[in-house]
Amino acid sequence: DIQMTQSPSSLSASVGDRVTITCRASQGISNSLAWYQQKPGKAPKLLLYAASRLESGVPSKFSGSGSGTDYTLTISSLQPEDFATYYCQQYYSTPCTFGQGTKLEIK
Amino acid sequence: EVQLVESGGGLVQPGRSLRLSCTASGFTFRDYALSWVRQPPGKGLEWVGFIRSKTYGGTTEYAASVEGRFTVSRDDSKSNAYLQMNSLKTDDTAVYYCTLISPGSSALFDYWGQGTLVTVSS
Repeated sequence: DIQMTQSPSSLSASVGDRVTITCRASQGISNSLAWYQQKPGKAPKLLLYAASRLESGVPSKFSGSGSGTDYTLTISSLQPEDFATYYCQQYYSTPCTFGQGTKLEIK
Repeated sequence: EVQLVESGGGLVQPGRSLRLSCTASGFTFRDYALSWVRQPPGKGLEWVGFIRSKTYGGTTEYAASVEGRFTVSRDDSKSNAYLQMNSLKTDDTAVYYCTLISPGSSALFDYWGQGTLVTVSS
């Protein structure tokens, strides 16, 4: 199975900040990488897929990049509604696997 | 509007069985693959299994942790998917989400249900 390692596991930031979360795969995944946002008590929501493609309706403040084994999610101009837990997921091979999550908290 | 609604969760003793249902609307159910993803309380996400559309044989695949105990099925006439869980263990305690797999991908989940909690405890 492909292991996905996210960092950091938690992150404190202020409204208006720009933050970056990284995700490393244990082997190359050819950009088959998605990012999800999850708020407490809610289901995850797809933000980006194919490493950098924005899901319909997701604001452009969210962006993704990377290739091979290393990927990043960047969120610009943080707003209160952006504080949540973020997960990366590889769908290159079965079983698909998720990172352990990054909890983004308000400083 | 795509909607996925899970039901059937609850408290069950170790070793017993439980069947979850996922009722779908807002899209042509028979054309899509569906998956189940679970999340233990306070922990991360774990893929459980998926079922392809009948066009692709309606075949299934499972995580190693549930292989041989869990079965995913579908009833296209009712727009329902199911997760039959047998020989339940305490480690199976989680919120179970039904998800719609984006066409052309093997496991990109673009729609999720609200989840149903399964608690395995004596």
